[in-house]
Amino acid sequence: GEDVEQSLFLSVREGDSSVINCTYTDSSSTYLYWYKQEPGAGLQLLTYIFSNMDMKQDQRLTVLLNKKDKHLSLRIADTQTGDSAIYFCAERASGTYKYIFGTGTRLKVLA
Amino acid sequence: DSGVTQTPKHLITATGQRVTLRCSPRSGDLSVYWYQQSLDQGLQFLIQYYNGEERAKGNILERFSAQQFPDLHSELNLSSLELGDSALYFCASSVNGKEGYTGELFFGEGSRLTVL
Repeated sequence: GEDVEQSLFLSVREGDSSVINCTYTDSSSTYLYWYKQEPGAGLQLLTYIFSNMDMKQDQRLTVLLNKKDKHLSLRIADTQTGDSAIYFCAERASGTYKYIFGTGTRLKVLA
Repeated sequence: DSGVTQTPKHLITATGQRVTLRCSPRSGDLSVYWYQQSLDQGLQFLIQYYNGEERAKGNILERFSAQQFPDLHSELNLSSLELGDSALYFCASSVNGKEGYTGELFFGEGSRLTVL
């Protein structure tokens, strides 16, 4: 099937690290994306990784990819209240323009 | 600002009615995607257009239709509206196919439809 799965909620304290998880389904080469949706706004791309990579780091964001388990995670270091949002994982099979989004994980950062 | 413009931002209408949602993609983007976001179903892909032609179809109801015009703006038409059609409808655009394409979608702020 074509399901990208995420847990629905995550709550962390300000200053802690957040880890948002996602499982995807496509077994061929694929791009995997993390989008952020703030209240009342559209989705905005945070970062992406290609399936031939294991890790990608961009400032406070670290993406880890476990190809064997088809598991993707997004780690946010030193989480701030401004990071409170819904985070979507999405996959796109290479050579296609079809994106499959997860249900989104709502991150709540407690002060 | 993503460069994608959606109108209207909010729309309230009654069951059985018909509405049209409009999207202007980023300058230079040939591809437009429509998504429906409801509270209990996440982000559902509806349909994609590329340079005026339908390219992919997702979970789009027969009561819904879309088109992309020569100036690349797109419209999503929703008819015989039901209570369950209440949702946030997003448009996204992408360059699609150009060299170095990584697949980023640029989303508008959405049109919130409430059916009473």
